[in-house]
Amino acid sequence: QKEVEQNSGPLSVPEGAIASLNCTYSDRGSQSFFWYRQYSGKSPELIMFIYSNGDKEDGRFTAQLNKASQYVSLLIRDSQPSDSATYLCAAFSGGYNKLIFGAGTRLAVHP
Amino acid sequence: DAGITQSPRHKVTETGTPVTLRCHQTENHRYMYWYRQDPGHGLRLIHYSYGVKDTDKGEVSDGYSVSRSKTEDFLLTLESATSSQTSVYFCAIGQGANTEAFFGQGTRLTVV
Repeated sequence: QKEVEQNSGPLSVPEGAIASLNCTYSDRGSQSFFWYRQYSGKSPELIMFIYSNGDKEDGRFTAQLNKASQYVSLLIRDSQPSDSATYLCAAFSGGYNKLIFGAGTRLAVHP
Repeated sequence: DAGITQSPRHKVTETGTPVTLRCHQTENHRYMYWYRQDPGHGLRLIHYSYGVKDTDKGEVSDGYSVSRSKTEDFLLTLESATSSQTSVYFCAIGQGANTEAFFGQGTRLTVV
């Protein structure tokens, strides 16, 4: 079992819709969780991170964390074609000092 | 932009030769990571460091070694390159939990 799991997609949504990206993790010692966006041929860039149960909002993005279910999600409201990219979920384990990524979910927003 | 530089950016090497990739930072971050990225696998952790001379193995460490003799530099060595190590390699730096990890530009390595 991979430590961080994501559905590889592709997830296809129409422009203006809400895109929902999901991630589960296996290490209960994970302290914080990150969502990165990666365009083809580019380096990953941080969208947001979360470490407390509940929701965290930043503009069109909302991250949700449920530690009991070991589940993290990212909602993108009013999706734009420029949001088309691969979204990587990551978990930081303080016990092991490491940052582990999932395989990524490819999102396609069509006009 | 975070001060993190990978070198070289592109390299073609022959099977069986040793290869060293360098990650250099100017941010004084404690953590440094090496990942490889292959289609369908996302970013897989090779090795990481949580301080000078403190390193540990990641998910896919076989065939790789690392060294960190000073805060700024984290070296990844392929002792004897194989075609299965053809990949894009990313270095990242960070300060641990609840802080952003910054990525280098990546190194595209081809083993022929």
